[in-house]
Order: sequence, then C-alpha cells, then structure tokens
Amino acid sequence: EAGVVQSPRYKIIEKKQPVAFWCNPISGHNTLYWYRQNLGQGPELLIRYENEEAVDDSQLPKDRFSAERLKGVDSTLKIQPAELGDSAVYLCASSLDLGGSSYNEQFFGPGTRLTVL
Amino acid sequence: AQSVTQPDIHITVSEGASLELRCNYSYGATPYLFWYVQSPGQGLQLLLKYFSGDTLVQGIKGFEAEFKRSQSSFNLRKPSVHWSDAAEYFCAVGAAGYSTLTFGKGTMLLVSP
Repeated sequence: EAGVVQSPRYKIIEKKQPVAFWCNPISGHNTLYWYRQNLGQGPELLIRYENEEAVDDSQLPKDRFSAERLKGVDSTLKIQPAELGDSAVYLCASSLDLGGSSYNEQFFGPGTRLTVL
Repeated sequence: AQSVTQPDIHITVSEGASLELRCNYSYGATPYLFWYVQSPGQGLQLLLKYFSGDTLVQGIKGFEAEFKRSQSSFNLRKPSVHWSDAAEYFCAVGAAGYSTLTFGKGTMLLVSP
C-alpha cells in the first residue's frame, strides 16, 4: 500500500513569489494534517482536516497561507506571497479517525523542502 | 496546553554502546506519547507509542521507552546502537479525543565508529 505522497520534494523560489504543495494521503484516511518543520525544530501543526472540513487552522497564517482539501482526499497548501521566513520543510500526514477517545496513528509523507531566496 | 522538552540537542554514541534519549512532557491528563525517527530527507517514522497499560513499551528496530508518570518522562533506549541509527529523534505528545501531535525540538544522534 502506498504511503503519503507529497510533491514537489524540493522547491526554490524568490521571495514574494507564490508556491503550492500537494499531498495525497493514504487511501481511506479521513484526516489530513499539514505541518511545518523549521530547521532544528520539531514539526508544528498548520492545519488539520477531517474529510473536507478544516477543523483546526488556528496556527495557519491566514494572511498568506491557504489550504484546501477538495472531495476529502488530496490537499493543496499554498503560500502567496512567500517570505524568507517561510523556508522550511512542509510535512503532510494522514490518519483514519474512527471517533471516540482513541488515538489514531498518523502516517507522514517525506515532506517538501522550501527555500525562499 | 501540552508541551514536550527534549533537553539534548545532539548526542554522540559509539557504535555498540547503549543509548538513552530524554523526553519530558507537560499535559494535564494521561498523555499519548510517541517517539519518531527522521533520517535526512525522509519523513517521520513511528518507532513506538504509549497509550496505557505496561509502562515499558517495545518498538521497532530494537528501541524501547519507559513511561514514568511521576517524572513526566518518556525516555527512549536502545541497548546497542548501530551506525544506521544515526538520525534525528522526536518525542511527541497527543491528547485523547483527537490526533494532533505536539513535538519536541528533536535530538540528533551521531554514531561514532
């Protein structure tokens, strides 16, 4: 079974340019996450989707970041315009959440490394 | 709010020696605790997790971790380190009811010959 797929793996852009990242979660997983990992830091959640609905986007800088998950499957994360401080690895993860109080394992993609010049 | 502290930024261990990576967490209820490993250019791979029950949990690649509630710790151990274990290790905490993880800043493990 394929894991979480992300593209591109690497992206170099100049500041003020737009950029978009794509994520294809594991088939059947209803929950999708976007994390940002700055150099020397752990991943930090940007947004979490349950199916098509963004249920936690409190850490998403909404002035320049946007995300969508059409049809509850693939997702795209966009930055417009990019700033120097946006250089980081953007990780996508997915899980199958069945509700209740249990925890559901997240599976991570390889990430997209963004460099803003 | 939950938080995770990994006090060691870098650790160097000789191949064949034992390893212990420290993790302390802050959370008001019983946490869900995890250790992930990240090799260069790779995503995060789950090594092991603690939800409840036996406080000593076994994971993949010969790793184990012990949950100590009194110390708010979840340290990762391995009795004999291999060169291929060189990577960055992240401790994370999750809350019951939803799956969002809070990660520590990571510990980079270097393995010397």
